[in-house]
Amino acid sequence: GAVVSQHPSRVICKSGTSVKIECRSLDFQATTMFWYRQFPKQSLMLMATSNEGSKATYEQGVEKDKFLINHASLTLSTLTVTSAHPEDSSFYICSARAPGGGHGYTFGSGTRLTVV
Amino acid sequence: GEDVEQSLFLSVREGDSSVINCTYTDSSSTYLYWYKQEPGAGLQLLTYIFSNMDMKQDQRLTVLLNKKDKHLSLRIADTQTGDSAIYFCAERGGDKIIFGKGTRLHILP
Repeated sequence: GAVVSQHPSRVICKSGTSVKIECRSLDFQATTMFWYRQFPKQSLMLMATSNEGSKATYEQGVEKDKFLINHASLTLSTLTVTSAHPEDSSFYICSARAPGGGHGYTFGSGTRLTVV
Repeated sequence: GEDVEQSLFLSVREGDSSVINCTYTDSSSTYLYWYKQEPGAGLQLLTYIFSNMDMKQDQRLTVLLNKKDKHLSLRIADTQTGDSAIYFCAERGGDKIIFGKGTRLHILP
């Protein structure tokens, strides 16, 4: 089946630095990918929709300059957390719509970001 | 706006059935999903139901949909320790998937 690979699985960074998270569709092309953020004991909150070859669509309240999304190819989307602060610490998950559309959304295994 | 509600915790004895309930608000939802998340991991799609269906059964999993009441349930028969996880109800409107807060299923020996 469709597989989405997300890296890194865990990252610890210092305040003020930037962190890049990659989301790859391994055996299919994904024109659209989604980035979610999950707070402890909370639901997944959709941050943005990443569109290959065009600008990402951000949800209300998400700072586009803070969370940079690049979807330069049909198999790779990246989320860069710029000038990270401790409040950015969270679990970030990407998702892609599998080939054929319909119900097929595949999720990455997530990235645990800790900003110290 | 769109909203998905589910209870946060459920404890069930091993071997019993687990029933996790969910309510949603978007009557135009096309698909409704149940996802499973184990600690520190991503989401695994367990099952889904199309909005024009009332019931779907897949091995130990049974999904019931009451579209009039906007109520979705997931029944896990013969609950095992490996079923211990957080279960997310989600609805899809267009391309977006809206998730509930998740129900943590705890299995009692």
